[in-house]
Amino acid sequence: SQQGEEDPQALSIQEGENATMNCSYKTSINNLQWYRQNSGRGLVHLILIRSNEREKHSGRLRVTLDTSKKSSSLLITASRAADTASYFCATDTGTASKLTFGTGTRLQVTL
Amino acid sequence: EADIYQTPRYLVIGTGKKITLECSQTMGHDKMYWYQQDPGMELHLIHYSYGVNSTEKGDLSSESTVSRIRTEHFPLTLESARPSHTSQYLCASSDSGRTSNQPQHFGDGTRLSIL
Repeated sequence: SQQGEEDPQALSIQEGENATMNCSYKTSINNLQWYRQNSGRGLVHLILIRSNEREKHSGRLRVTLDTSKKSSSLLITASRAADTASYFCATDTGTASKLTFGTGTRLQVTL
Repeated sequence: EADIYQTPRYLVIGTGKKITLECSQTMGHDKMYWYQQDPGMELHLIHYSYGVNSTEKGDLSSESTVSRIRTEHFPLTLESARPSHTSQYLCASSDSGRTSNQPQHFGDGTRLSIL
C-alpha cells in the first residue's frame, strides 16, 4: 500500500477560491515534499517541510505538517486557472535516497 | 525550469524492439532516478543511482536496465519491448544533501507506447 495517500482525488474550484489538499502517510519521515505536475509534463518541486517544522509558506502556498497524525496539507490561496494541475506529496523516510510519492490530487480551477 | 532533458518525448514502437530512453542533466547532481507513471496515477520508482557506476532497483519491479557511466547521463534500456511496458517514464535528479533527500528535478518524460 502507498506511503502517501492524498485526499481528495479530484477538486474543482473557481478562480479566486482557496484549494486545500491533504496527504496522509504511514511511517516516520525526515521531510515531506509537495510537487505539481501539469498535464503531459514532469513534476515541479513546490515546497519542502522538515519533520521538526509545523508550517511553511511560499508565496500563495501554505503547507502544514502534523507528525502525530502523520498528515500534511497544502493550501493554495486565491487560486488561478494556471494552478490547474495534479499535486503530489512525497515522503522522505531516510531510506536509501528514495522519495515515496502519494496518489495525487487533480485540481481544476475554472474561470 | 531545471536542466534535465529526456528524449524522445514520444515513442510508438512494435513488440520485441530494443529501446533506450535517454536522460541527461547539466546540474552536476549525483543522484538520478527513473519513475514509471501511468496516466493520472502515482509515480513508481523503478531505478536509481547514487553516482557514477552505482545503480539500484527501485520499489517497482521492472524488466528495464540502467547504466551510469557519466554523472550527467542515466539511460534506461528495454531489451525487448512488450505492450505491458506502455507507460510514461520520468527521469529525475537531485543533489546529494548532507542530511536528507533534496528536492528532485524532473524531465518532461517519455511517453512510450508498445504496439
